Amino acid sequence: AQTVTQSQPEMSVQEAETVTLSCTYDTSESNYYLFWYKQPPSRQMILVIRQEAYKQQNATENRFSVNFQKAAKSFSLKISDSQLGDTAMYFCAFMKKGGSEKLVFGKGTKLTVNP
Amino acid sequence: DGGITQSPKYLFRKEGQNVTLSCEQNLNHDAMYWYRQDPGQGLRLIYYSQIVNDFQKGDIAEGYSVSREKKESFPLTVTSAQKNPTAFYLCASSIDGGGAYGSYNEQFFGPGTRLTVL
Repeated sequence: AQTVTQSQPEMSVQEAETVTLSCTYDTSESNYYLFWYKQPPSRQMILVIRQEAYKQQNATENRFSVNFQKAAKSFSLKISDSQLGDTAMYFCAFMKKGGSEKLVFGKGTKLTVNP
Repeated sequence: DGGITQSPKYLFRKEGQNVTLSCEQNLNHDAMYWYRQDPGQGLRLIYYSQIVNDFQKGDIAEGYSVSREKKESFPLTVTSAQKNPTAFYLCASSIDGGGAYGSYNEQFFGPGTRLTVL
């Protein structure tokens, strides 16, 4: 079974600064996807970024980028130029490639962006 | 507009009663999922369905039941056997629940239902 661990229950950052959220996972699979989801106060789950395990290049989406270290089973999210609207819960998630597309989530990190 | 709807947004239930949460999608997706979210916890999978008239248990299926009679609908019943039903419930869907090897189908989430047992 796969597990996903987010070791930072809460973090805060000043507006316009950069913050990094940590995620580690455990799996015996070699082909999989990793995701970061954002859940703002509205509680709507929003996909922020995804990474395919076989791709060495780190994924980037505008101000969001990941540092994917496959051997270390680490998948951190970097948010640059933080904005007040980035305040949310952030969840790291794992999905085995092929078969049913079940997501396994970490417990989340509550990020607060301060003005 | 295409999307996933969950109703109601807030639901209250007396202890010992069954209650059904609605999930409807007009995205023409084959696969649908139910997750439970508790404070300090990530989302945990309750049930999922990859096709009409078929569904599988997730990690925490005890005390829950589902049906998938129509492609667009995947209702979740929280039974009296569920010992701690108070939680936030999220429904999701994807184009299919197991694309050909090498493909990926994003899961889209509904707005959720907050269930409180009185």
